[in-house]
Amino acid sequence: NAGVMQNPRHLVRRRGQEARLRCSPMKGHSHVYWYRQLPEEGLKFMVYLQKENIIDESGMPKERFSAEFPKEGPSILRIQQVVRGDSAAYFCASSSSGTAYEQYFGPGTRLTVT
Amino acid sequence: QKEVEQDPGPLSVPEGAIVSLNCTYSNSAFQYFMWYRQYSRKGPELLMYTYSSGNKEDGRFTAQVDKSSKYISLFIRDSQPSDSATYLCAWAGGTSYGKLTFGQGTILTVHP
Repeated sequence: NAGVMQNPRHLVRRRGQEARLRCSPMKGHSHVYWYRQLPEEGLKFMVYLQKENIIDESGMPKERFSAEFPKEGPSILRIQQVVRGDSAAYFCASSSSGTAYEQYFGPGTRLTVT
Repeated sequence: QKEVEQDPGPLSVPEGAIVSLNCTYSNSAFQYFMWYRQYSRKGPELLMYTYSSGNKEDGRFTAQVDKSSKYISLFIRDSQPSDSATYLCAWAGGTSYGKLTFGQGTILTVHP
């Protein structure tokens, strides 16, 4: 499967716990993007990363959220001290370096905070 | 004013109909225009993208962009029940081409 991979597909956390979402980009892609889709709302941009570099984090909440894309391994979206309002579908997308607008999405991780 | 306006529908059409989906935007900095299809509980699937005003065709799908009116459309010819999904318009441009701005999505049902 050469597509964008995300895991886990479903994640349940209790309030106050940490959530870690992983994303492996499509083969040949070096740019990764994270989006959040809240119930009854559209997709909202969170962050844009290259290897070891954050390009645009204008959509990231100021607290509790962080993202990285290390030299080796998948991109990680980390949510500390989760609250019920964090329950959503989190999608990762990837693109090649010259076409950042041409993004291909993964299946998403559905986070439920109880 | 929202940056992107998209009628959420729902839109219901019979099989074989021509479907027209539309979005308007307010940010003149937008330069690339995309249409995505999202099935229930799946990730968005890129259908088409275009840069300039005019039409772009791919099989049964035609994307139309009118930059002067800040209006984009997606036409689906000979619609099929398998086209039943939510259709999302999106834009890129301004300071970061990597930051896509999405419409709310239009729910389409094609009934046999």
